Amino acid sequence: QVQLQESGPGLVKPSQTLSLTCTVSGGSISSPDYYWSWIRHHPGKGLEWVGYIYYSGSTFYNPSLKSRVTISLGTSKKQFSLNLRSVTAADTAVYYCARGEYDNGMDVWGQGTTVTVSS
Amino acid sequence: QSVLTQPPSASGTPGQRVTISCSGSGSNIGSNYVYWYHHLPGTAPKLLIYRNNRRPSGVPDRFSGSKSGTSASLAISGLRSEDEADYYCAAWDDSLSGWVFGGGTKLTVL
Repeated sequence: QVQLQESGPGLVKPSQTLSLTCTVSGGSISSPDYYWSWIRHHPGKGLEWVGYIYYSGSTFYNPSLKSRVTISLGTSKKQFSLNLRSVTAADTAVYYCARGEYDNGMDVWGQGTTVTVSS
Repeated sequence: QSVLTQPPSASGTPGQRVTISCSGSGSNIGSNYVYWYHHLPGTAPKLLIYRNNRRPSGVPDRFSGSKSGTSASLAISGLRSEDEADYYCAAWDDSLSGWVFGGGTKLTVL
């Protein structure tokens, strides 16, 4: 059974870079059947898709974040990462990683990690 | 401001049937599948409905989805207290080349 786990700093200073890693257990990110997403949940607001990456390394990003976001595959076949540059308080959120399958939705999610942007 | 529009809240009593709507446009719901997610803040969201009306294994048949034109809806029958959660619709948007979510509907079981 595939499980995902987010990790990274819980506090980031304004203007710095938010860096998170998602570790996949029970499966591999090198399968062509899946894509690997980041989604965030702002306090009191809805879910927001950040972007996703395929096993090949190709990426799709939310247009509103595209200039600041990079999603990359880890050197092992068990991790992928999110970098969000020049953060502000508006980037404070719970960040989730998730596995998606073509036309079948995002069916496996991590528990989420809270990131606060504050000096 | 979310691309997909949902009512912020819905409620019902145990055993009742409730429906949550999701309105979009031709570039998202009108031309792509709709998905529904169940979310308790602080926990992992859960896929409830995929491809408009299909249920992943383990999701009770009390949950059903439908789509017509640029709108979709989630119906929950035989409402239970444990159904209290936030529910989100989602779809791929061809114009944005990305996933879009509704603002979420908080379901209260009275």
